[in-house]
Amino acid sequence: EVQLVESGGGLVQPGRSLRLSCAASGFTFDDSAMHWVRQAPGKGLEWVSGISWNSGSIGYADSVQGRFTISRDNAKNSLYLQMNNLRAEDTALYYCAKDTTQAVAGGEPDYWGQGTLVTVSS
Amino acid sequence: QSALTQPRSVSGSPGQSVTISCTGTSSDVGGYNYVSWYQQHPGKAPKLMIYDVSKRPSGVPDRFSGSKSGNTASLTISGLQAEDEADYYCCSYAGRYTYVFGTGTKVTVL
Repeated sequence: EVQLVESGGGLVQPGRSLRLSCAASGFTFDDSAMHWVRQAPGKGLEWVSGISWNSGSIGYADSVQGRFTISRDNAKNSLYLQMNNLRAEDTALYYCAKDTTQAVAGGEPDYWGQGTLVTVSS
Repeated sequence: QSALTQPRSVSGSPGQSVTISCTGTSSDVGGYNYVSWYQQHPGKAPKLMIYDVSKRPSGVPDRFSGSKSGNTASLTISGLQAEDEADYYCCSYAGRYTYVFGTGTKVTVL
C-alpha cells in the first residue's frame, strides 16, 4: 500500500523559512517522480513543484520560483520542500504526491498524502 | 500559469449524468495528453479518477469517463450516485516541467 506522510508544517512568521518532508513507502520511490501541491483554506488545489526520479528535471510554479526548493533523497525514500521568504499567501495545506511515471513531464500525480499545514502569520 | 477554467458547480439527480468542463490553452490542455481529474471529499486528500485524458485507475468505477477536444477536457459521471457528491479538479501538464490545476467544480447530487 502506497503511503505518503508529510511533516514539518507549523506557524511561521513572514520572511522566515520552513522545510517540509514527505516519507514514502509501499512503492519503489526512486522509480517515481514526485510533486508538492498546496491548498489554501477553503480554496482550490495549486501545483507547487515537481521533481523527476533522479532529480534531473525540476519545475516550480511562478508563485514560488526563487523562494522554494524541491529535493529528494532516494536512499531515505524522502521528498523535501525548502520554503524561504515565506508570505501570508503561502498559508496552505501542503500535499506530497507520487507521479504515475519517472519523469516530471508525461505523467500525473496519483497517490497523495494527508498534508501538512503551513501557516504564515506574525 | 493561469488556472484552468471549470464551472463553479454542477448538479444532477441520482442516476443522471453530469459533465464537467476544463478549459485551458494550447500551452496546457490542448498541447499535451496529460490531463487528469481528481475527486476531493471535505477534509480528505484528492483521489485520482482519470489520467492521460481518459484512462481510469484500478478501482475507479466505469461511471467516470474523460475526454478532450482542443483546449477543453471533460469529465462525465454517468449514473450519478450520492457518494459522487464532492469537489472535482482537473490538472494538466503545462510544459517545462510544470503543471496547472483547474479552479474546481462542486458536484451536488439532488
